[in-house]
Amino acid sequence: QVQLVQSGAEVKKPGASVKVSCKASGYTFTSYYMHWVRQAPGQGLEWMGIISPGGGSTRYAQKFQGRVTMTRDTSTSTGHMELINLRSEDTAVYYCARGHDYRDIEYWGQGTLVTVSS
Amino acid sequence: DIQMTQSPSSLSASVGDRVTITCRASQSISGYVNWYHQQPGKAPKLLIYGASTLHGGVPSRFSGSGSGTDFTLTISSLQFEDFATYYCQQSYNFPRTFGQGTKVEIK
Repeated sequence: QVQLVQSGAEVKKPGASVKVSCKASGYTFTSYYMHWVRQAPGQGLEWMGIISPGGGSTRYAQKFQGRVTMTRDTSTSTGHMELINLRSEDTAVYYCARGHDYRDIEYWGQGTLVTVSS
Repeated sequence: DIQMTQSPSSLSASVGDRVTITCRASQSISGYVNWYHQQPGKAPKLLIYGASTLHGGVPSRFSGSGSGTDFTLTISSLQFEDFATYYCQQSYNFPRTFGQGTKVEIK
C-alpha cells in the first residue's frame, strides 16, 4: 500500500534552516508528483509547493519563493523539503503528500513538527 | 490566488444526523475540488476528488456535489469516527488553496 514516512521532529533557532525528508513506498515513485503542505498549530492547511519526481521540476507558492527548495532522490524514492531563514511563524507540522494528475493531493505522510524557537 | 470559503466554521451534530458543509470558490473552478477530513493529531485523508468522486475505501455515506463556484460535502448519517475537521481544496490551478476548515463536533 502507499506509504509516505517522514523524518522526525526538529527544533531550530530563528535564522536556521531545516530539511524534512519523505520516503515513499508502495508505488512507482517517478510516476507521481509530491506536494508539501504545512499546518501551523491550531490553524488550517497551507500549500507550499510541488515537485515532479520524474524530471524534478518544481513550483512553489509565492509566499515561500526564495526560502524553500524541494528536491527528490529517485534512487531512494525520497523527497526533501528545505526551508531556510526560519522564523517563529514557521513553527508548524509539515506534510508531504502524493499528487496525482486527477485526484491531486491523495495520500499524506504522517507529518513532521518543526518548532522554531530561540 | 483562488480563495476557498467554507461554511459553517463549526457545527454540532449527533450520531445519525445528516450534515452538509459548503465551500465557495472566488472564481469558477469547474469541478476541481477535493474534500479531506482530519482527526486531531493526524494527517488529512482524501474523501472526495473531482467534486463528486469518492476516493477508494471511503464509506458511501459521504457524497460531494457542485461545479463552478459552489460545492457541497454531505454526510448522510454521521458516525462517531466522522467527528473531525473537514477541508475543501481547489486543484484548478497553482497555488493550491484550502478552505479554512469546518469542525464537526459532538452535540
